Amino acid sequence: EAGVAQSPRYKIIEKRQSVAFWCNPISGHATLYWYQQILGQGPKLLIQFQNNGVVDDSQLPKDRFSAERLKGVDSTLKIQPAKLEDSAVYLCASSPRDPQETQYFGPGTRLLVL
Amino acid sequence: DQQVKQNSPSLSVQEGRISILNCDYTNSMFDYFLWYKKYPAEGPTFLISISSIKDKNEDGRFTVFLNKSAKHLSLHIVPSQPGDSAVYFCAASGGETSGSRLTFGEGTQLTVNP
Repeated sequence: EAGVAQSPRYKIIEKRQSVAFWCNPISGHATLYWYQQILGQGPKLLIQFQNNGVVDDSQLPKDRFSAERLKGVDSTLKIQPAKLEDSAVYLCASSPRDPQETQYFGPGTRLLVL
Repeated sequence: DQQVKQNSPSLSVQEGRISILNCDYTNSMFDYFLWYKKYPAEGPTFLISISSIKDKNEDGRFTVFLNKSAKHLSLHIVPSQPGDSAVYFCAASGGETSGSRLTFGEGTQLTVNP
C-alpha cells in the first residue's frame, strides 16, 4: 500500500513570496490533515478535511494560509504572503475516517523563509 | 497554552534496558492518547494508543500507562534497541474544544546506545 505522498520535499523562499504544497493521501482515506511543525515543537493541526469539506480550521491563519481538497482526494496548502515565522515542516496525514483511527503521515515539506 | 507537555527533551539509555518516556496533560476532557515515533526526514509513525477507560495497553515491547488522576501517561520500551532511537511524541484528543483534533507534545529524543 502506497503511503502519503508530499511534494516538494524542500522549499526556500523569501518573505512575502507565495508557496504551495501538495499532498496525495492514502487511497480511500476520507480524512486529510495538514500540520505545521516548528523546530523543537510538536506538530500543530492547521486544517482537517473530511472528504471535500472542512471539519476543523480553527488554528489556520486564514489571512495568509489557504487549503483545498479537490474531489476529496489530493490537497494543496498555500501560504501567501510568507513570513519568516512560517519556516517549519508542513506535514500531511490521512486516516480512514477520524483521528481516533491511526493517522498516517507523509514525509513532510521543509520550508525555509528568508 | 501547552495542553500536552513532554518535559524531557532527551533521554539516553543502554541497549537492553528499559526506556521510560513521560507526558503530562492539562485538559481533563482528553479521552484518547497516542504515541508516535519519528525518524529524521520522515513523518511520524503511530506506535501505540490508549483510551481513557483503560490504564494500561501493551503491544510487544511497548506499554503505555495512563494515570488519569495525575493527568500523566508514560511509554515503556523493554528491552530498548538501537533502532528505537528516534523522537517520540505523545498526543491527545477529546473534549468540546479540541474534539477529534490531536494535540501533540514537544517530543523527546530517545537515544539507545549499543
